[in-house]
Amino acid sequence: SQTIHQWPATLVQPVGSPLSLECTVEGTSNPNLYWYRQAAGRGLQLLFYSVGIGQISSEVPQNLSASRPQDRQFILSSKKLLLSDSGFYLCAWAHLTRGNTIYFGEGSWLTVV
Amino acid sequence: DAKTTQPPSMDCAEGRAANLPCNHSTISGNEYVYWYRQIHSQGPQYIIHGLKNNETNEMASLIITEDRKSSTLILPHATLRDTAVYYCIVSGYGNNRLAFGKGNQVVVIP
Repeated sequence: SQTIHQWPATLVQPVGSPLSLECTVEGTSNPNLYWYRQAAGRGLQLLFYSVGIGQISSEVPQNLSASRPQDRQFILSSKKLLLSDSGFYLCAWAHLTRGNTIYFGEGSWLTVV
Repeated sequence: DAKTTQPPSMDCAEGRAANLPCNHSTISGNEYVYWYRQIHSQGPQYIIHGLKNNETNEMASLIITEDRKSSTLILPHATLRDTAVYYCIVSGYGNNRLAFGKGNQVVVIP
């Protein structure tokens, strides 16, 4: 069976510090990978998606970036965090053989102080 | 992708069927209706999806009107653990990006 893991689960970072959230998927190959963000009291916002190694599409301009160094690894990064980067970050995967069914990780709570 | 309209919130009685409506009047012929739910502080969970026919699985039933302009998600016997935000999404099959709106905050009341 397929599983998805992301870490860390929670972190508190000062403004201007770097960020790295990591996500890995097991039990499938060549998945589509996604990073979503959910600010407090708001809906899910798609940040990045990837259809393959090194292929990243950005949905919204921001000071975040994503990378996919391996088939089942997806990393969300920032060089300098802003207060507005606080939120609940979710990694997700999907596979064309399963249509649009998206499977989400446990989420990472980021508080920028 | 077509947009959807859901009530912002609703209450349901524990043990009773919960009927969650969704309007998608601009849905196109090749777009599916998907339902997800998000329990507080967790990632969204896939529930069910359909194109034209009604669908049922171990979690819920999906009723799609004949003109496909609206649908209803039915939780047959609501429990307190069903309290969550429910998202109705329409999207073409194989579309890489699903747009989650604000959803419907469903509260199951004892």
